[in-house]
Amino acid sequence: DQQVKQNSPSLSVQEGRISILNCDYTNSMFDYFLWYKKYPAEGPTFLISISSIKDKNEDGRFTVFLNKSAKHLSLHIVPSQPGDSAVYFCAASRSNTGKLIFGQGTTLQVKP
Amino acid sequence: KAGVTQTPRYLIKTRGQQVTLSCSPISGHRSVSWYQQTPGQGLQFLFEYFSETQRNKGNFPGRFSGRQFSNSRSEMNVSTLELGDSALYLCASSLDRGDQPQHFGDGTRLSIL
Repeated sequence: DQQVKQNSPSLSVQEGRISILNCDYTNSMFDYFLWYKKYPAEGPTFLISISSIKDKNEDGRFTVFLNKSAKHLSLHIVPSQPGDSAVYFCAASRSNTGKLIFGQGTTLQVKP
Repeated sequence: KAGVTQTPRYLIKTRGQQVTLSCSPISGHRSVSWYQQTPGQGLQFLFEYFSETQRNKGNFPGRFSGRQFSNSRSEMNVSTLELGDSALYLCASSLDRGDQPQHFGDGTRLSIL
């Protein structure tokens, strides 16, 4: 029972363009969502989060959108840079627990 | 500001042995969670500790256990190791269990021979 899904295993974009990573969830009790970036041999690095009371949150080049009715969130990276090449994980939780449920990850490649 | 520190970084054990992994959270963080990452199952939640109490547990057998000390440092123990326990074990800390992000260490890579 995969409660958080990232249906695109990989994504390739040109430097300077927009990268859009998608994530779907099934559990309507989730109310806190996060995006992490992971390089090989390192732990996940927190990028940005959003509470279910919002539908958008921005931090620099990163914007997360939440569509609760569709149970869908997306991460926009504008402009994309070669250093953004990594595996991106979305995660969801109920805010009264310390338990994150992760998607399977999307490998982003940004070409110079 | 120091991040989450996990020791050791790499560990090789044989089947049937037991292992203890250590995690030092970010200063001031009281919640510590543990995760297992494998190629087949991805990142899976093991358990969470807050103020020395286990507050949440994932779907792992009882061979996996943990504890948290008064300084918020945490240890995870796996007994009677199996080949399938080979994985990257990640520790994460956060300020509390509310809508605060978890910050991860670089993990301990455990290999079972």
